[in-house]
Formats: sequence, structure tokens, C-alpha cells
Amino acid sequence: AQSVTQLDSQVPVFEEAPVELRCNYSSSVSVYLFWYVQYPNQGLQLLLKYLSGSTLVKGINGFEAEFNKSQTSFHLRKPSVHISDTAEYFCAVTINFNKFYFGSGTKLNVKP
Amino acid sequence: DTEVTQTPKHLVMGMTNKKSLKCEQHMGHRAMYWYKQKAKKPPELMFVYSYEKLSINESVPSRFSPECPNSSLLNLHLHALQPEDSALYLCASSPHPLGGRDNEQFFGPGTRLTVL
Repeated sequence: AQSVTQLDSQVPVFEEAPVELRCNYSSSVSVYLFWYVQYPNQGLQLLLKYLSGSTLVKGINGFEAEFNKSQTSFHLRKPSVHISDTAEYFCAVTINFNKFYFGSGTKLNVKP
Repeated sequence: DTEVTQTPKHLVMGMTNKKSLKCEQHMGHRAMYWYKQKAKKPPELMFVYSYEKLSINESVPSRFSPECPNSSLLNLHLHALQPEDSALYLCASSPHPLGGRDNEQFFGPGTRLTVL
């Protein structure tokens, strides 16, 4: 079975500072990895995904993530955050694109 | 049209009521999903429909009854719910029921359900 761990439930950061949201996964087979963002009272929006190829993946809104197979990690980064980035971020994994397993989420709180 | 719509946005119901949640997509997707999301928790898969047939039921109580009348529409019928069923119910769709690397899930905005 697959599982996803997001160690940080909340990450406070000042505007224009860099941020990293951590995601680790567990799986006995190859996986595909995703980051979703959820703004208050809204559904999930795909930020980026890793399927294969380059381990550095660029997504929307200036976010990027790096797949590290040896550390089974897929951390999300942004060099300079905005107030509008305040949201819940979910890491997810799938092996077959039918069942997705989500982490517990990280609440990013960007302060002015 | 790359949108999944859900109605209603909010729903308050008593434990003896019968209500339905509706989800619609016009992207030609042949897989549709229901998720339940409790506050400050990740979405949990409830049901998957593949080509309008129920393919996955994650041991969901029978007071939740899904229905897929056609390839664009997905309903969730609710009856005799409990207060602990209060949550955000998310619908999603994806192009291919059999998976595949381009089988990204598109999520709707959700229905926030409160059971009194």
C-alpha cells in the first residue's frame, strides 16, 4: 500500500520569503506524485505533478517540486511567497491514476 | 469547458431527511469520484464510477447511495445521516477509468454538508 506523510501541519512565513513544504511517501512500487492546493471553501487545484523524466518539476503560481527517489521525498518550494498563497497544500501519490492517496495537508499562512 | 460543478454549495439537513448532492462535468471524462473531507483532514475516497458503473466502494455506509445516470452526471443520495457525516463532499472526474499517465483528476468546489 501507499502512504503519504506531510510532517508540517502548519507553516507560517512572511511575504516574499522562500518556503518549502515537505512531503515523504512510502511505496513498494513506482509512484506518481502530485501537489494540490485548496483555498478556503474550494475544491482542490493541481499545482504540479511528477510522472517521469526530470526530477525538478515546475508548476503553476511559481511553485516547483523536486522528486528524490532515494529519500522518497517530493518537497514543494517557492522562492518568494505572496499573501495570496495562503491555503492548504496536499501532497498525493498514485500508482495507477485511479486511487489517489493524500497526505494530511499543510496549512501555509503567509503574513504581511 | 474544464470545470466540474457541484450543487448545492451548502446543505443543512436533519437526520431523518433525504437529500441529494449533484456533480456535473462536460469534459467527456469517463471516470467520476466522490470524496469526503472532514475539517483539517485530507480528502478520503468514497466511490469511483468507471463508464457509469460503480467500480470502487471504499466500504461506505449504505446511508450514502451513489448514482451515475449518464457520463456527465454523478449524484450522491443521502438518507438517515449522522452528525459525524458533516463534511465537505468533493466530486472529481478524470478522462480514463483504466488509469494512465494523463489521468489527472479535476475537482469540483465541493458541497459543505451539515447534519443536525
